[in-house]
Order: sequence, then C-alpha cells, then structure tokens
Amino acid sequence: GQQLNQSPQSMFIQEGEDVSMNCTSSSIFNTWLWYKQEPGEGPVLLIALYKAGELTSNGRLTAQFGITRKDSFLNISASIPSDVGIYFCAGQLWDYGGSQGNLIFGKGTKLSVKP
Amino acid sequence: DTGVSQNPRHKITKRGQNVTFRCDPISEHNRLYWYRQTLGQGPEFLTYFQNEAQLEKSRLLSDRFSAERPKGSFSTLEIQRTEQGDSAMYLCASSYGQGADGYTFGSGTRLTVV
Repeated sequence: GQQLNQSPQSMFIQEGEDVSMNCTSSSIFNTWLWYKQEPGEGPVLLIALYKAGELTSNGRLTAQFGITRKDSFLNISASIPSDVGIYFCAGQLWDYGGSQGNLIFGKGTKLSVKP
Repeated sequence: DTGVSQNPRHKITKRGQNVTFRCDPISEHNRLYWYRQTLGQGPEFLTYFQNEAQLEKSRLLSDRFSAERPKGSFSTLEIQRTEQGDSAMYLCASSYGQGADGYTFGSGTRLTVV
C-alpha cells in the first residue's frame, strides 16, 4: 500500500537535545497528523494540522504543514526519556463529498533518548 | 468513555485456522476503520464503515478477510484460512465524521500465525 517518505528512520539522542523529523509525499493532503506509538499499543495523536503553512505546538512539540501540502515536519525540544517511541506522520485526504478519510502513514522514526 | 477497545490483545493461531477480532469504538463515533501494521511499517488501511455500511475496502483486503459492523456499533474482522503472512498488528480506529483530531486508535490485536 501507499506510504509516505519519513526520515530519519531512527535517532539516538542525548536527553535535552532537540529532535527534528519530516515527512514528504508525492500527493497533496488536506490534513497532516503526527502520532506516537509505544510498544504493544496503538498510535496516539500528538498534533493535527489542517491548513497549508500552519504551525502548531503541543507542549514541547511543534509541527508544520508544508505550503505545498506535500510535506510536514515535527520538532521536539529538550527531549526527555519518556519521549522514547516511534513517531509516525500521516496524511489524510478528504472532501465535502464524503470521501473515506483513511490515513496514509509513513514508516516511522524510532527515537531513543539517552539519559 | 474508555476509548476504542480491541479484543483479544494477542492471538496465536495455526496456519489454516480462522480467527475473529472485535473492535468496540467510542460510542458516539459513526466511522470505524481497520488497519494492519507489520513490523517496521506504519499502519496500512484495510477497510472502513460509516455506521453499519462498509464503504471502502483496500486491495490489501483479500477475499479471506471479511469485516462487519452490525447495527453500526462494534465491528468484527475475520480472517479465514490464515497464512503466516497474516501475522501483524490489527488496529481499529474510530472517528466522528472526517475530523482527524477525534480519530482514535485502539491498542490493537497482535496476530501470530504459526
């Protein structure tokens, strides 16, 4: 199935460092989402972006919806050990005609944080 | 509201057996989605329901897979004649309309086919 291009694939960082990851697509989306997944659990929504150019923060997390509608990035500032997990971007294409609204996911960025 | 609930959490089955998973969505959500996630990959869309109607099926959903959502409440996903390639995490999500910020995933059912 279709997946987005997400990078980097993995990151090993020191506690307190900032983290940046991004996602690109050949298709445009109406909505970009960032999820975090921990082992044995389903993805948990971190940030949702609805407008091209939108910059949204959620605590130490900041994400932007690219102006071309084909990319997005997520930054995590001052990382802490509980930030460990796999971060997924997802794009959603919907219209007022009632399209299905399913999400297209990236392959994930595995984040490891050294105390 | 306890979120999206999936049962069982883990299932080990022998190749060729049939398995069924259940998803209970958030009660006011009218849309329900099934995704499959294999190791090292992001979730991939399988199918979705709006109320009781199954409106979309991915080409990933072979004819051995069937999903139902009777009465527009809980949903079941059945896999017949399981194969080793069916081993994956099966995730259910629900939402109200197309809104992404209410799009909530369950904890998934981990299927292992031996």
